[in-house]
Amino acid sequence: EIVLTQSPATLSLSPGESATLSCRTSQDVMNYLAWYQQKPGQGPRLLIYAASIRATGIPVRFSGSGSGTDFTLTISSVEPEDFAVYYCKHHSNRLLSFGGGTRVEIK
Amino acid sequence: QITLKESGPTLVKPTQTLTLTCSFSGFSVSTSGVGVGWIRQPPGKALEWLATIYWNDDERYSPSLQSRVTITKDTFKNQVVLTVTNMDPVDTATYYCARVLGSVGSIRLDWWGQGTLVTVSS
Repeated sequence: EIVLTQSPATLSLSPGESATLSCRTSQDVMNYLAWYQQKPGQGPRLLIYAASIRATGIPVRFSGSGSGTDFTLTISSVEPEDFAVYYCKHHSNRLLSFGGGTRVEIK
Repeated sequence: QITLKESGPTLVKPTQTLTLTCSFSGFSVSTSGVGVGWIRQPPGKALEWLATIYWNDDERYSPSLQSRVTITKDTFKNQVVLTVTNMDPVDTATYYCARVLGSVGSIRLDWWGQGTLVTVSS
């Protein structure tokens, strides 16, 4: 079973700052990785899939990169609506697994 | 307009079987490349994938829950049903259904329901 480890657990930022979120996998997963955003009381929202493809309607300030075992979600300039929890997700043979999440909070 | 909505009991007793229904509109689960999945989230904790059913009747289950979980679909009713047997208090969570798209390298959950909180307690 592939384990996804996200870091940091919490990221404290001021609006306008850049955010860098990490997701590391225990095995090489090629580019089979997606990122989701979840706000309190809401279902998750797809941001990025195939490691770097922005989903429909996602602002360009969100970008994904990486392959193999190391992946990054970058928010170039955090907006007030971006404070949320972010999850990475891997799939293999149509089996899915999520990371533990990174909370982006207002500093 | 794509929508998904979960329905079912909000409270179940330990050892009982949970049955949840995902009713959706705006797409068909008979379309090639489309599936519907279930994901849960215990209060204050991370997301956990449970199961997915695809347009071609392919069913996939979380290895840790495979013995307790079943997923079925009714293409004509636009519904997908999840059953979880032998419920325990640790199964208390918000249960989400989501549309699954893609193949091989690009599988993604692109539309989600609002979720339904299920509490397991005697």
